[in-house]
Amino acid sequence: GAGVSQSPRYKVAKRGQDVALRCDPISGHVSLFWYQQALGQGPEFLTYFQNEAQLDKSGLPSDRFFAERPEGSVSTLKIQRTQQEDSAVYLCASSLVVAGGSYEQYFGPGTRLTVT
Amino acid sequence: KQEVTQIPAALSVPEGENLVLNCSFTDSAIYNLQWFRQDPGKGLTSLLLIQSSQREQTSGRLNASLDKSSGRSTLYIAASQPGDSATYLCAVRPLETSGSRLTFGEGTQLTVNP
Repeated sequence: GAGVSQSPRYKVAKRGQDVALRCDPISGHVSLFWYQQALGQGPEFLTYFQNEAQLDKSGLPSDRFFAERPEGSVSTLKIQRTQQEDSAVYLCASSLVVAGGSYEQYFGPGTRLTVT
Repeated sequence: KQEVTQIPAALSVPEGENLVLNCSFTDSAIYNLQWFRQDPGKGLTSLLLIQSSQREQTSGRLNASLDKSSGRSTLYIAASQPGDSATYLCAVRPLETSGSRLTFGEGTQLTVNP
């Protein structure tokens, strides 16, 4: 595809429900990142994949958050037993990995999650 | 831990004015710095990326500078237009492996009035 796509664009969940957010990176991009953006704040790092390997998950706020990228392309961020504080925009980004390159990250439109 | 600060948090200017947005970071060991634009309800659009070895980058009416040693970057917007109204975010990538996270500031919300 031409860019990073995310689905759904909007998700309303009742507290306690599980949700799954999908990210389709740019074709050929090895690296994939998830960020969480609270209202009025800058994005904050959640986790990072290189191909199918999750190399950094230090930003995941709790064990209710889980991410996977089983075939090294599409990624899913799952949140179990959602809480109101999980309400945010979840952004996905991808980048090429080329030695000496810029490693510029390209962002998707985000999924706005509202937990009621 | 890297911290990124953007000043001002909000800015309102009349159309046609030149303006400067500021970004500062605490750890100068960065690989590059990116400026993004975010429109309400939308994702991030990359505006300019400056490698640590560079001093500035230009794209149209935008010019970004980087002073790594002092931990500062500025985004200069010339002849502002109402369509420039958006939130502007700066982010730094640390001097580590290729997969490193970006650390963002909280953004400057810009309003350009016709």
